Amino acid sequence: NAGVMQNPRHLVRRRGQEARLRCSPMKGHSHVYWYRQLPEEGLKFMVYLQKENIIDESGMPKERFSAEFPKEGPSILRIQQVVRGDSAAYFCASSPAEYEQYFGPGTRLTVT
Amino acid sequence: GENVEQHPSTLSVQEGDSAVIKCTYSDSASNYFPWYKQELGKRPQLIIDIRSNVGEKKDQRIAVTLNKTAKHFSLHITETQPEDSAVYFCAPENQGGKLIFGQGTELSVKP
Repeated sequence: NAGVMQNPRHLVRRRGQEARLRCSPMKGHSHVYWYRQLPEEGLKFMVYLQKENIIDESGMPKERFSAEFPKEGPSILRIQQVVRGDSAAYFCASSPAEYEQYFGPGTRLTVT
Repeated sequence: GENVEQHPSTLSVQEGDSAVIKCTYSDSASNYFPWYKQELGKRPQLIIDIRSNVGEKKDQRIAVTLNKTAKHFSLHITETQPEDSAVYFCAPENQGGKLIFGQGTELSVKP
């Protein structure tokens, strides 16, 4: 059973461009969470999704950020018009129901 | 919102010694209490967790204890090894499933 997959692993974008991060949950997991980690800090919750539904987006900035988890395909975290402050590691996690969350390897976004 | 604090922020022990990391939280509705280990540049790895109906759980050299009344839970690592060196995060679950991470404890195990 493959673990949580994320791609790309590293992404470099110029200010003003769009960043698109993908997350494929573990097989059988229908809950996906996105977290952001700044250097030498803990992870901060961004958004919680189930198939075709956003359950909790309280940690996601209102502007420029959006997330989806379509019926088919991976979950996508989209950041429009990136700024330097968006540079961070973005992790997704999946779980079969409540509780245990298993993390992917992360996408390290660098905005130049 | 939920407030989570970990202590200590850094911990250095000799190989073979025990290490204890404490986590306090504010949300009395939390029911799930995991600990994650993160090595440099890697993903957070779930190492042990406990639910609110249990006071202690052990898995080989790792144990977690929970005091729900006092709103804190602790990670215990016995017979530490150099490969235990990493950053450890507590992440009590907030209502609705999201995890609220502490700031992390950097554990260094010296051979």
